[in-house]
Amino acid sequence: EADIYQTPRYLVIGTGKKITLECSQTMGHDKMYWYQQDPGMELHLIHYSYGVNSTEKGDLSSESTVSRIRTEHFPLTLESARPSHTSQYLCASSEYGGRSSYNEQFFGPGTRLTVL
Amino acid sequence: GNSVTQMEGPVTLSEEAFLTINCTYTATGYPSLFWYVQYPGEGLQLLLKATKADDKGSNKGFEATYRKETTSFHLEKGSVQVSDSAVYFCALSEAAGNKLTFGGGTRVLVKP
Repeated sequence: EADIYQTPRYLVIGTGKKITLECSQTMGHDKMYWYQQDPGMELHLIHYSYGVNSTEKGDLSSESTVSRIRTEHFPLTLESARPSHTSQYLCASSEYGGRSSYNEQFFGPGTRLTVL
Repeated sequence: GNSVTQMEGPVTLSEEAFLTINCTYTATGYPSLFWYVQYPGEGLQLLLKATKADDKGSNKGFEATYRKETTSFHLEKGSVQVSDSAVYFCALSEAAGNKLTFGGGTRVLVKP
């Protein structure tokens, strides 16, 4: 079944630790995204990718980094977690370009990160 | 630039009440419009969409009509259920492959 997966769903970690949030999709989509959702619910795009070896900064500056070595995989890494990184992180994917007339994004269930 | 404004919540309703969530947008071109829903503890799901003016998107009893003249895409449901309690996001995209611009979200709570 085509889907988009995120692990872990919940993560509580101490300050200074390195973490990687995993995102995988089996939908065959080229484009992938990471959003940060603050407690006030607003969604901020922090990274996106057009395909393999493509990574772009989003609208909100983030200390996290991403990589896209495989089409289906788009992990997000924080080298040194801080309490200000506490948030919900949502991964999404979509088709890119001509095959679709609109940019419907499909979202994973999210990872809720708490940094103590 | 593009922007989406939706009514602030929370919106609290009784079961079987009528729901309206206002959404207006600003865009330089001819965007596609979306409503996404986020149930507690989950990611976003596409609820409905409209790709051109006067299109009506509908799903699960929800409807929204793309009004170019008023740059609006208001979400409506005639009779809400407790299971409709969620956060609703209005969003736009200007072209295939382009980024989505989201509104701030509206929390809806339906009481039995």
